[in-house]
Amino acid sequence: ETGVTQTPRHLVMGMTNKKSLKCEQHLGHNAMYWYKQSAKKPLELMFVYSLEERVENNSVPSRFSPECPNSSHLFLHLHTLQPEDSALYLCASSQDSRGPGELFFGEGSRLTVL
Amino acid sequence: AQSVTQLDSQVPVFEEAPVELRCNYSSSVSVYLFWYVQYPNQGLQLLLKYLSGSTLVESINGFEAEFNKSQTSFHLRKPSVHISDTAEYFCAVSDPMNRDDKIIFGKGTRLHILP
Repeated sequence: ETGVTQTPRHLVMGMTNKKSLKCEQHLGHNAMYWYKQSAKKPLELMFVYSLEERVENNSVPSRFSPECPNSSHLFLHLHTLQPEDSALYLCASSQDSRGPGELFFGEGSRLTVL
Repeated sequence: AQSVTQLDSQVPVFEEAPVELRCNYSSSVSVYLFWYVQYPNQGLQLLLKYLSGSTLVESINGFEAEFNKSQTSFHLRKPSVHISDTAEYFCAVSDPMNRDDKIIFGKGTRLHILP
């Protein structure tokens, strides 16, 4: 496989459920990101990891918990979400977390919170 | 901090007609500028970028964008669109003077190609 792969592509969960989104990159990149894409809003950067260390957390509610066990894998653990958390969650990677490097995105995980 | 404005949320255009998608960014001494494209049910992918040098940059599929410092713009153009260009287009900016600065995206412009 090549590029950035996200699973699942679609997820429906209740507000009391616990689920996880998974992202895997096969590009040898050192940085990985979680973005939230909601209708009619700019892409929101949620978390940045560089060499498995979290370097940025943009005031994201604690009901979203990221995990980066190695430079190729990134998870987003979800618990007690709200309906307004329904969105497309995009994972991306880049060679480095600094500088003008190109972002490579996965196809996204469409989350619906009931 | 940088910001990006894409004034048009949707742009309808007939097939084979020209199109311009507008992008303005907040003023800064220097900027890196990007256009990303998101085809239906896919993630974003880089279309073209301006880092330095020639102010006119081109993509492999016929799009071009011109960095205009005086107007703080980076509009995307194509002289003749095809149905396969149907997608959402995102303008983005980052600050080269601040290596910790992350890429900031606009709200996107949805391009509708009419037959």
